[in-house]
Amino acid sequence: GAGVSQTPSNKVTEKGKYVELRCDPISGHTALYWYRQSLGQGPEFLIYFQGTGAADDSGLPNDRFFAVRPEGSVSTLKIQRTERGDSAVYLCASSIQGWGDTQYFGPGTRLTVL
Amino acid sequence: GNSVTQMEGPVTLSEEAFLTINCTYTATGYPSLFWYVQYPGEGLQLLLKATKADDKGSNKGFEATYRKETTSFHLEKGSVQVSDSAVYFCALAGQTGNQFYFGTGTSLTVIP
Repeated sequence: GAGVSQTPSNKVTEKGKYVELRCDPISGHTALYWYRQSLGQGPEFLIYFQGTGAADDSGLPNDRFFAVRPEGSVSTLKIQRTERGDSAVYLCASSIQGWGDTQYFGPGTRLTVL
Repeated sequence: GNSVTQMEGPVTLSEEAFLTINCTYTATGYPSLFWYVQYPGEGLQLLLKATKADDKGSNKGFEATYRKETTSFHLEKGSVQVSDSAVYFCALAGQTGNQFYFGTGTSLTVIP
């Protein structure tokens, strides 16, 4: 079956602009995660959804970052007033239920803020 | 808090050499432990996992044993192949909450 997909694969924007990154999880997976991976680092947790609700958003760095999953499937990560330090690969993962389950990762969106 | 410390790379080995990539962790309670692999140009994939102490995860010739006494989950393979060239990430799922904590990754290059 289809894996986790993310769009766009690459996004270049200017400092101060607003961006949206989309994640389409594996069908039937109730848990969805967003991570940020900087060059030479491991993925850093941002937010976890269980169904439509954000069960844990403690990894969001500040209030410029926001994510939604209105129908419990597709999720959008939104970044306002982008800064150069936001440049990274943003990864999405999904799992069948939640804690401890194997997470299946998408290919990521590479965000570059000029 | 929870954290993972992973052996720094890059690691370069000749084909058929023995591989060890060290991983130690800090966690409260009883986490689950994972190794993920990222092949060039591809997304992260689960390689193996172990959910309790003394469990051994294995896949594609790779093995790792969950050692609670040494808080370690070292990755090993007896004979590496060129196709094993990738970046390997150790990770843990904490007992509370739903966060995964990843190490910084170890790049492996296997030369013929």
